[in-house]
Amino acid sequence: GNSVTQMEGPVTLSEEAFLTINCTYTATGYPSLFWYVQYPGEGLQLLLKATKADDKGSNKGFEATYRKETTSFHLEKGSVQVSDSAVYFCALSDRGDDKIIFGKGTRLHILP
Amino acid sequence: GAGVSQSPRYKVTKRGQDVALRCDPISGHVSLYWYRQALGQGPEFLTYFNYEAQQDKSGLPNDRFSAERPEGSISTLTIQRTEQRDSAMYRCASSLAAGGNQPQHFGDGTRLSIL
Repeated sequence: GNSVTQMEGPVTLSEEAFLTINCTYTATGYPSLFWYVQYPGEGLQLLLKATKADDKGSNKGFEATYRKETTSFHLEKGSVQVSDSAVYFCALSDRGDDKIIFGKGTRLHILP
Repeated sequence: GAGVSQSPRYKVTKRGQDVALRCDPISGHVSLYWYRQALGQGPEFLTYFNYEAQQDKSGLPNDRFSAERPEGSISTLTIQRTEQRDSAMYRCASSLAAGGNQPQHFGDGTRLSIL
């Protein structure tokens, strides 16, 4: 079945460091891929998405590229801020199937 | 506000009691989803509706769990004869239309604790 695997946390970085959170997926079709973020005390928010191979999703300085050949959708940011501290979830949705399958989440701590 | 609203935010109840969790989606959103999130895990799909029709309930863990959306707007997730293993965050989401490309907008969730 479809699944998402993402790197375990917590990930701790200093402010202005480069961030990568790895995510790989297994899917029978051609899924849409998402990154959701949960800030402390808040609900889940869509951060970015990509719907087909080689698409790049971007938002708030974060980027992720849909790599079909490596079945990956790694999240990157060039210079993180303390306000980026949150839990990040990689997720997929198969075409024609509305449910989203989430990874376990990666907690990110950014130190000032 | 214009977001997905869930109530109550917190629910503590004794084992064996029934609970009803409510979700009020974004106005005009066709699709409504229920997920359950255990501590330290990602959300897991339970069920979803398009309008009032329940399209997929494959994620409901057993027959103690049910959901309805009778008028195609507000939805209720009901858990009968609760057990301690039902303790989790229950999240509702809505999207403008069906189809995997539409973003799902999540509410703040209901944290359920079964004593």
